Amino acid sequence: EVHLVESGGGLVQPGGSLRLSCAASEFTFSNYWMHWVRQAPGEGLEWVARINGGGTTRSYADSVKGRFTISRDNAKNTLYLQMNTLKAEDTAIYYCARDLGVLGNYGDCWGQGTLVTVSS
Amino acid sequence: DLQMTQSPSSVSASVGDRVTITCRASQDVSNFLGWYQHKPGKAPKLLIYGASTLQSGVPSRFRGSGSGTDFTLTITSLQPEDFATYYCQQADASPPPTFGGGTKVDIK
Repeated sequence: EVHLVESGGGLVQPGGSLRLSCAASEFTFSNYWMHWVRQAPGEGLEWVARINGGGTTRSYADSVKGRFTISRDNAKNTLYLQMNTLKAEDTAIYYCARDLGVLGNYGDCWGQGTLVTVSS
Repeated sequence: DLQMTQSPSSVSASVGDRVTITCRASQDVSNFLGWYQHKPGKAPKLLIYGASTLQSGVPSRFRGSGSGTDFTLTITSLQPEDFATYYCQQADASPPPTFGGGTKVDIK
């Protein structure tokens, strides 16, 4: 069974940085695009970023472009999200998701999420 | 920017009811449309992709339809485990993937 486990969330001050990790298992990690999606308190889902299997193609939501960096280490089966210059509006549960692998961007398997709180 | 608008934002229904949720895109997204179920404290679950293709393991009471700008998710006979929030998602790469605001289905 596909397993995704996020970690690295916590409380950080505005302007600070945090790196999230997503450990993947039970599938060939390097074959899949991966996504980060977040949910702010009381809000809906927001797509954040995606990366291809080789780590050479990335794209971002406008709300995080220039501040967040998605990356992956296929040898460690781990996805990352480096978050810099954090703002209060970045407070959310952050989920990693595996791409379904068909034409389009669909998350077919998701982790349980890690909470990031940006507050002074 | 592309916007995904869901309606209604919430619906109260009983077990056995037919529930219909609509999603409208502000521009043509072809059939790049997915539907997800999300329960509090749980991971989101993909129900439908390509506007109408049922994801593996999802019960057949979930049906997706539409193309272009107007889409529908229908639950033909609501079951107790279906009480949740449902999101549509535009799944094309450009513009970037975008979720609708969500529709909460709760018990009447």
